[in-house]
Amino acid sequence: QVQLQESGPGLVKPSQTLSLTCTVSGGSISSGGYYWSWIRQHPGRGLEWIGFIYYSGSTYYNPSLKSRLTISMDTSKTQFSLRLNSVTAADTAVYYCARDRDGNNAFDMWGQGTMVTVSA
Amino acid sequence: QSALTQPASVSGSPGQSITISCSGTRSDVGSYNLVSWYQQHPGKAPKLIIYEGSERPSGVSNRFSGSKSGNTASLTISGLQAEDEADYHCCAYAGGTTYVLFGGGTKVTVL
Repeated sequence: QVQLQESGPGLVKPSQTLSLTCTVSGGSISSGGYYWSWIRQHPGRGLEWIGFIYYSGSTYYNPSLKSRLTISMDTSKTQFSLRLNSVTAADTAVYYCARDRDGNNAFDMWGQGTMVTVSA
Repeated sequence: QSALTQPASVSGSPGQSITISCSGTRSDVGSYNLVSWYQQHPGKAPKLIIYEGSERPSGVSNRFSGSKSGNTASLTISGLQAEDEADYHCCAYAGGTTYVLFGGGTKVTVL
């Protein structure tokens, strides 16, 4: 059974870089068919798609975050990562990593989520 | 592109059926049959309950069903149960450079 687990700092200062890692256990992230994704949820609000990376390394980003965003993967460690630059309080949210099966917009596996607060 | 539009809340009594709408545009919901729905209990990660508009993953109750008409997708919960009280989120493929849109979420209350 594939499991996803987010890790990273829970507190980031304004203007700094938010970095999170998702570790995938029970499966490989380098096999075809899956888009490895980041999704966030602002407190008390809906979900927001951040972006995903395909097993080939191709990346797809939310246009509103694209200028500050990098998603990468380390297949040897079965991990993929998120880097969001120049953060503000508006980036405070619960961040989830998730798996999109076959690129058909079905996020079928999720991590438990990690809360990131942007504050001085 | 704006987020998809969902009602903030929907309520029903046990045993009743309720429907949650998810309004998009001809560029997203209206163009692709790639709408998914997620159930989220407080403090938990979302769970996929409908994909490709009307398909249920293995293990999801058949009380959940999805449909689409024009630019609006819908999730129906029949035989409402106390455990169905949760937030529900719709999601649609938007193509182009937008790719994925979510709705604002709907809180379902079982009276």
